[in-house]
Amino acid sequence: SQQGEEDPQALSIQEGENATMNCSYKTSINNLQWYRQNSGRGLVHLILIRSNEREKHSGRLRVTLDTSKKSSSLLITASRAADTASYFCATENQFYFGTGTSLTVIP
Amino acid sequence: GAGVSQSPSNKVTEKGKDVELRCDPISGHTALYWYRQRLGQGLEFLIYFQGNSAPDKSGLPSDRFSAERTGGSVSTLTIQRTQQEDSAVYLCASSLVGLAGVNTGELFFGEGSRLTVL
Repeated sequence: SQQGEEDPQALSIQEGENATMNCSYKTSINNLQWYRQNSGRGLVHLILIRSNEREKHSGRLRVTLDTSKKSSSLLITASRAADTASYFCATENQFYFGTGTSLTVIP
Repeated sequence: GAGVSQSPSNKVTEKGKDVELRCDPISGHTALYWYRQRLGQGLEFLIYFQGNSAPDKSGLPSDRFSAERTGGSVSTLTIQRTQQEDSAVYLCASSLVGLAGVNTGELFFGEGSRLTVL
C-alpha cells in the first residue's frame, strides 16, 4: 500500500501559533499532496510537492519532503481559527489517503 | 458545472434497500474516484475510473457495491441490500489526468453524499 499516514491524529493550538503535522508513506513516490477538509465538506487541494523537491511554500503553508525517510510535513504559520479542519496527505494516484490530522485553532 | 456535483446530498434508507449515488465530474476530467468516509474516520478508497473503464476496483468492500461510468462523464455508485455499516459519506473526486503509475493532477472533490441506513 502507498497509504499516507498522518500524525498527530489531533492537534489543538492557540491562534497565532504554528501548526505542524507529519505524513509517512511506504513506497517510492513521484509526488505527494496535502488536502484540507472542513467539517462535513469535501476535500480541497492545498499543495503538491514532487519527489525531486525538498521544500515548497504557498502563502502560510510550508511543505517539506524527505524521500529517504519517506515522510513529509505540513507547517501552517500564524494559524487562524479558520484553519480549523482535518488535513490529509495523499501519495500519487490519489488512491490512498491517511486518516488525517484534526487541527483545532482556538481563538 | 464548475465543480464536482454529487447527488443526493443526503439519503436516508431502510436496511435492505438499494441506493444509487451519482457523481457528475468536472467536464473533461478523465479520472474519477469514489471514496467512503465513516464518521470521524479517514477516506477509504473504493474505485477508480479512467474514462469508462475501472482499472482498480480493489476497494469495493463487497459484491453489494458496484459502480459504473458512462460516456466518460457521470458515474453511479450502487449499493444493494444496504446494511447499517454502509452508513457513511460517499465522496467523489475527479482529476484531469489519472494514469496508473504517475498522477500529477490534483483531485477535485464533491461535497459528498451522506448515506444513513436505518
